[in-house]
Amino acid sequence: KNEVEQSPQNLTAQEGEFITINCSYSVGISALHWLQQHPGGGIVSLFMLSSGKKKHGRLIATINIQEKHSSLHITASHPRDSAVYICAVSYKGTYKYIFGTGTRLKVLA
Amino acid sequence: NAGVTQTPKFQVLKTGQSMTLQCAQDMNHNSMYWYRQDPGMGLRLIYYSASEGTTDKGEVPNGYNVSRLNKREFSLRLESAAPSQTSVYFCASTVNRGAPGGELFFGEGSRLTVL
Repeated sequence: KNEVEQSPQNLTAQEGEFITINCSYSVGISALHWLQQHPGGGIVSLFMLSSGKKKHGRLIATINIQEKHSSLHITASHPRDSAVYICAVSYKGTYKYIFGTGTRLKVLA
Repeated sequence: NAGVTQTPKFQVLKTGQSMTLQCAQDMNHNSMYWYRQDPGMGLRLIYYSASEGTTDKGEVPNGYNVSRLNKREFSLRLESAAPSQTSVYFCASTVNRGAPGGELFFGEGSRLTVL
């Protein structure tokens, strides 16, 4: 079992829909990261958070430390949001990151 | 502002050939990483360098070697390529200023095919 589990694995939405991607992890962490990867492209960091909530444009990331769960929300989704969204965690005292397998999002016009 | 630059972007090798993937960052980051990405799997760590002068194995180091040439550059070498090393390789860096687990910055990826 992967230490980082994402759901759903695949998601298709209509333009304008509100989207939620979930991430669960199994042990205490120092930070949780949300990353975005466009088809054939590089990987970009969207958020790094250790508590509460962060917002950037139409993207919102939340984390619940007690429940070991994070969500990435996209409001008013657009076809350009189509990408793979990857959750990763980092642990105190280690330089390593553990990655989920990603959620493939397709937003239809 | 280049960020993390890795070369080459594409490479085709025959089994047994060797090659080096180059990575450089211009953000004065301390830590650098090499990952491979395969379908259906999360990014897997090959090797990392927590700081200049140090390197450590990740979860899939077999068949690879690395060199942290200086603070900017971290190269990955395949001495004798095998078809199982067909993958997309990503270099990443983070500042890790006394507190591991900072924001990661990735290169564009290198797609390697071994025939």
